[in-house]
Amino acid sequence: EPEVTQTPSHQVTQMGQEVILRCVPISNHLYFYWYRQILGQKVEFLVSFYNNEISEKSEIFDDQFSVERPDGSNFTLKIRSTKLEDSAMYFCASSEGGSEDTQYFGPGTRLTVL
Amino acid sequence: AQSVAQPEDQVNVAEGNPLTVKCTYSVSGNPYLFWYVQYPNRGLQFLLKYITGDNLVKGSYGFEAEFNKSQTSFHLKKPSALVSDSALYFCAVSGLGDYKLSFGAGTTVTVRA
Repeated sequence: EPEVTQTPSHQVTQMGQEVILRCVPISNHLYFYWYRQILGQKVEFLVSFYNNEISEKSEIFDDQFSVERPDGSNFTLKIRSTKLEDSAMYFCASSEGGSEDTQYFGPGTRLTVL
Repeated sequence: AQSVAQPEDQVNVAEGNPLTVKCTYSVSGNPYLFWYVQYPNRGLQFLLKYITGDNLVKGSYGFEAEFNKSQTSFHLKKPSALVSDSALYFCAVSGLGDYKLSFGAGTTVTVRA
């Protein structure tokens, strides 16, 4: 069964450093998403991406964040200058279509900012 | 703005007993409702969804959920719980034209043998 994959599974970085989290969505899916889950808190939406454009973004997704689909398979989230409060589990998801279609989630990348 | 409430942080049941995890929602227009399960150190796994049609939706692993428009609820149920159902359960909502899911805080289910 096709699944969303994410690398790395765990990333440790120093405050102020740039990180890139990588995702390979399910191959025939057209919509891509990033969510995050701070330890002990709810899953929060960051951004959705379709047709090489951001469809929607949350207040969390400020200028420090960017997304890219650099080739036909990868979908990346870049945090330019990490802060302590960026420490969280980051989930990538993909869906065939928009709002009513099921989003399938990857296993997550645990980001630790020291 | 859309939102989801899961009023119980924890639900504890004995194996073989019915399991119910509660969810209420708020959204403009017709809701698209989803349940996901998260096992320790794993991602979110899709269980079931309601888009339209029959109010009773059946999903994976014997779970079902009932959409109740008047009560704006979408409770998850399983007639006979298993120890392996112990996990964190999330309810989520989307709406027409939305490109995001809004999640509840999650409910930890513990099924004791």
